[in-house]
Amino acid sequence: EPEVTQTPSHQVTQMGQEVILRCVPISNHLYFYWYRQILGQKVEFLVSFYNNEISEKSEIFDDQFSVERPDGSNFTLKIRSTKLEDSAMYFCASSANVFGQFFGPGTRLTVL
Amino acid sequence: EDQVTQSPEALRLQEGESSSLNCSYTVSGLRGLFWYRQDPGKGPEFLFTLYSAGEEKEKERLKATLTKKESFLHITAPKPEDSATYLCAVHNNTGKLIFGQGTTLQVKP
Repeated sequence: EPEVTQTPSHQVTQMGQEVILRCVPISNHLYFYWYRQILGQKVEFLVSFYNNEISEKSEIFDDQFSVERPDGSNFTLKIRSTKLEDSAMYFCASSANVFGQFFGPGTRLTVL
Repeated sequence: EDQVTQSPEALRLQEGESSSLNCSYTVSGLRGLFWYRQDPGKGPEFLFTLYSAGEEKEKERLKATLTKKESFLHITAPKPEDSATYLCAVHNNTGKLIFGQGTTLQVKP
């Protein structure tokens, strides 16, 4: 069964460093998303991406964040200068249409 | 403001003891309500999508229903392997999923 994959599973970084989280969406999907979940809190929407551009972003997704689809398979989330409060699980999701999003296993980001 | 509230926050059942989880929502232009299962340290696993009031979906011991203001996830004769956090989310007219805080279910043998 096709699934969304994410790498790395766990990323530890120093405050102020740049990180890139990687995702491989399900191959025939056209819509891509990033969400985050701070420990013990709700899953929060960050950004959606369609047709090589951002279609929606939340107030969390400020200038420190960017997304890219560098090739036909990968979808990345970059955080330019990490802060302590960026520590969270980051989930990538994809969908064939605007409904029915399928999530990856997540990357646990720890900022020290 | 679009909002999703789930209750109870935590639920402990004995194996075989049926119950229901509630998801109340307010959303501008509902385009779908979703139920996900999340195991500790894992990503949400898709269970159901409901689009209109009166709709019902079933999968094994789970049944999801939808009204104009809330959804219920009914668990019939649960087993210990049903223990997980169940997330409800709504899809609004801007294309993003808005999640509730989840109900953590523990089923004891």
